[in-house]
Amino acid sequence: EVQLLESGGGLVQPGGSLRLSCAASGFTFSSYAMSWVRQAPGKGLEWVSSISGRTVSTKYADSVKGRFTISRDNSKNTLYMQMNSLRAEDTAVYYCAKSRDAYNYDYWGQGTLVTVSS
Amino acid sequence: EIVMTQSPATLSVSPGERATLSCRASQSVSSNLAWYQQKPRQTPRLLIYGASTRATGIPARFNGSGSGTEFTLTISSLQSEDFAVYYCQHYNNWPLTFGGGTKVEIK
Repeated sequence: EVQLLESGGGLVQPGGSLRLSCAASGFTFSSYAMSWVRQAPGKGLEWVSSISGRTVSTKYADSVKGRFTISRDNSKNTLYMQMNSLRAEDTAVYYCAKSRDAYNYDYWGQGTLVTVSS
Repeated sequence: EIVMTQSPATLSVSPGERATLSCRASQSVSSNLAWYQQKPRQTPRLLIYGASTRATGIPARFNGSGSGTEFTLTISSLQSEDFAVYYCQHYNNWPLTFGGGTKVEIK
């Protein structure tokens, strides 16, 4: 059974940093691209960042480029997102998502809430 | 950036009726289009990928069609569990983008 378990969310002041983790199990982690998708309270889905399986190519939304860094440790079956210079508009539930093929997503984690507020 | 526009924003349908949801891309995304269902307090669920292929375990009443810039998700006979928000997403190029969603509510 595929499982994705996010952690690391919480309350942080504007300008602060957080590191999200997503522990994956039930599939060959290194074979699949992974992504972070966020959802602000009461809003729709927004793609944030993606990382390929083995070649470790990364992509970012313009809204987070230069502030967020996606990475993965295939030996630990874990996806990460380092979030720096956080802004109020980054407040959202952050989902870890596994690519089925290309960049559509067949499994999603339960999400971790990031709140940026003073 | 490709803008994905979904219509209508809200669709009121009676159980057993057909629901037709639209998604339009601001430029061609070929068939690189997925549909997701999200119920309150739940994570998104992949329904359709490749514009028309049902994901594993998705009932046959869900059908996707279209290519290029115009896409449709049809739910042939709405069941109580189908009342939810539906999102389209393109994965043709970067950045990936989602539509704003269509809420299917009980009439």
